[in-house]
Parts: sequence; C-alpha cells; structure tokens
Amino acid sequence: EAQVTQNPRYLITVTGKKLTVTCSQNMNHEYMSWYRQDPGLGLRQIYYSMNVEVTDKGDVPEGYKVSRKEKRNFPLILESPSPNQTSLYFCASIDRWGSDTQYFGPGTRLTVL
Amino acid sequence: AQSVAQPEDQVNVAEGNPLTVKCTYSVSGNPYLFWYVQYPNRGLQFLLKYITGDNLVKGSYGFEAEFNKSQTSFHLKKPSALVSDSALYFCAVRDGDTGGFKTIFGAGTRLFVKA
Repeated sequence: EAQVTQNPRYLITVTGKKLTVTCSQNMNHEYMSWYRQDPGLGLRQIYYSMNVEVTDKGDVPEGYKVSRKEKRNFPLILESPSPNQTSLYFCASIDRWGSDTQYFGPGTRLTVL
Repeated sequence: AQSVAQPEDQVNVAEGNPLTVKCTYSVSGNPYLFWYVQYPNRGLQFLLKYITGDNLVKGSYGFEAEFNKSQTSFHLKKPSALVSDSALYFCAVRDGDTGGFKTIFGAGTRLFVKA
C-alpha cells in the first residue's frame, strides 16, 4: 500500500531536549515536505526537498532542521525545542512528475513543555 | 508573494443542498491550485486540482471547483451535500513558474452538513 508514515504520532517533551520526527514514503517520490498545522493558521510549510541532498526553506523554517540522505526518508529535527513549536506536524510526499499532488502522513502531535 | 484566503471559518449547509467553500489566491506566476480535505485525526487528502486547461475541474466524492482568473478565485462546490462531507477543507496554491515547491495553504474552512 502506498503510504507516508510518521513516528512518533504523539510526543510530549521539555524545552531544549533535542528530538527527531521521522518520515518515510514508499512511493519513490523525489519531492517531500514538512508542514505544521496551527488553529486559524492552516498549514505552513517548514522545509521541502526536491531530491536527495536537496532541501529548501518554506515559510517557517526557524528552529527546525531537515536532512535527505535517502529518497524515502525525510526526518524533521528540532535541536532545541521551545513551547512555540507545540503543534501538529505533517510530512508529505509529492508525486511531482505524475499527478502533482501531495500525499500526507497521519501527523505527529508535539507538545513542548 | 503567494497567499491564499479562505474568507469563511465555517460553512453550514443542510444535507441535500448545494455547498460552496470559497478560496481566493495571489501568486505572481502561473497558479497551480489544489483543494484538500481533512477528517478528524487524519492527514490531508487530495480532492482536486487546477493546473491548466478547462476552468471547471472535477474531483473526488462529487466535488468540483471553478478556476476564475479575473477574480483570482478557486471556489469548491458540490451540488448536493452529504453529512459525511463534514470536515475541514484547505485551499492551496503553488507558483507553477518557479522550479521549487513552495506551497501556501489557506487557514481552512470547516464544513458542517446537518441532516
């Protein structure tokens, strides 16, 4: 089954404790993206990647890092999380050369205390 | 700069009635427009898109949307609403003239369909 998986689905952590949210897709897509969803603000793009070792900033990249060492994986890294990063995070894989649509993971709800 | 506006936080409609969820956009280049739906505790699912061609596009679950270049709008419509259509709907735009993949989403419109 074609899918995007994220782990963990829920995470409660404390300020300053480094964390990584993993994202993996099995559709061989070149493009992947991370978003955060906040009430009243919709989805805001954090980072996106157009291929292995190619990443670019979205609208709200501050406080986040990403890496793309393999096509299937696109982890989101918070080196020093802060409470304003409490949010619902979605990873997406993009069928850029086919339907040009985004396939979203199930989401990761992060709480930073 | 790209932007998307969904002017209604919430739309209420009775089952069987037509529904419209509004979206206007701003983009400097060629607009690629999308609608996504989010059910509770789920990720977003693709509904339909406009890239080029016919201004009226049809998508999943009986939804359609009309691209209006002069009004920079891409309203989502359905002739007859179902209770199961109740969800959060997002409009999104990408500048098709750029080589990147920066995508802007609207704030979302919550649709309530009453039986």
